[in-house]
Amino acid sequence: QVQLVQSGGEVKKPGASVKVSCKASGYTFTSYGISWVRQAPGQGLEWMGWISPYSGNTDYAQELQGRVTMTTDTTTTTASMELRSLRSDDTAVYYCARGNPGPYWYFDLWGRGTLVTVSS
Amino acid sequence: DIQMTQSPSSLSASVGDRVTITCRASQNINIYLNWYQHKPGTAPKLLIYAASSLRSGVPSRFTGSASGTDFTLTLSSLQPEDFATYYCQQSYTTPYNFGQGTKVEMK
Repeated sequence: QVQLVQSGGEVKKPGASVKVSCKASGYTFTSYGISWVRQAPGQGLEWMGWISPYSGNTDYAQELQGRVTMTTDTTTTTASMELRSLRSDDTAVYYCARGNPGPYWYFDLWGRGTLVTVSS
Repeated sequence: DIQMTQSPSSLSASVGDRVTITCRASQNINIYLNWYQHKPGTAPKLLIYAASSLRSGVPSRFTGSASGTDFTLTLSSLQPEDFATYYCQQSYTTPYNFGQGTKVEMK
């Protein structure tokens, strides 16, 4: 079954770090990029960045540069996103999404989301 | 960065209505424009890619079109399962920004 299964919700204190995982199955992991998208409460979707499981190349949203790291493990077909120095406005549902490698890039498979709550 | 301006931010409609949502890019993005449907507590769902290509399995009442930097998502006859929030997204260049979303509510 083609799917992305994300890790469970997290509660963190301001200043801490969080790592969310996304296990892919049912397709060739290295043939598709993985993006991370978040949605804060009452807000829209925000693209956070992208990683190629094939090359390890990454591209992060400028506002998250220095705080976010995206990685993949091809042996376990798992993508991970670590966000450091958490603030209250990082409270959001975090999604991983598979990027179609065709000529027109789009996200055709999504995880169900991981709620990260940042609160003192 | 390319900004995506979506309108309206919300609309009220009835089952059977024709609904139109627009999205304007701040610069040329060719046809690198996708539409997603998002319901609370679920993962977003791809509806249309490359401005007008309907994803396999998506009902044909959803159509997308493009004119320059203006893009339109049309639902020809709103169904009960279509009440959701819709987002456009440009995939021309990173950051792959989304529009602000359009919430389609029941009148």
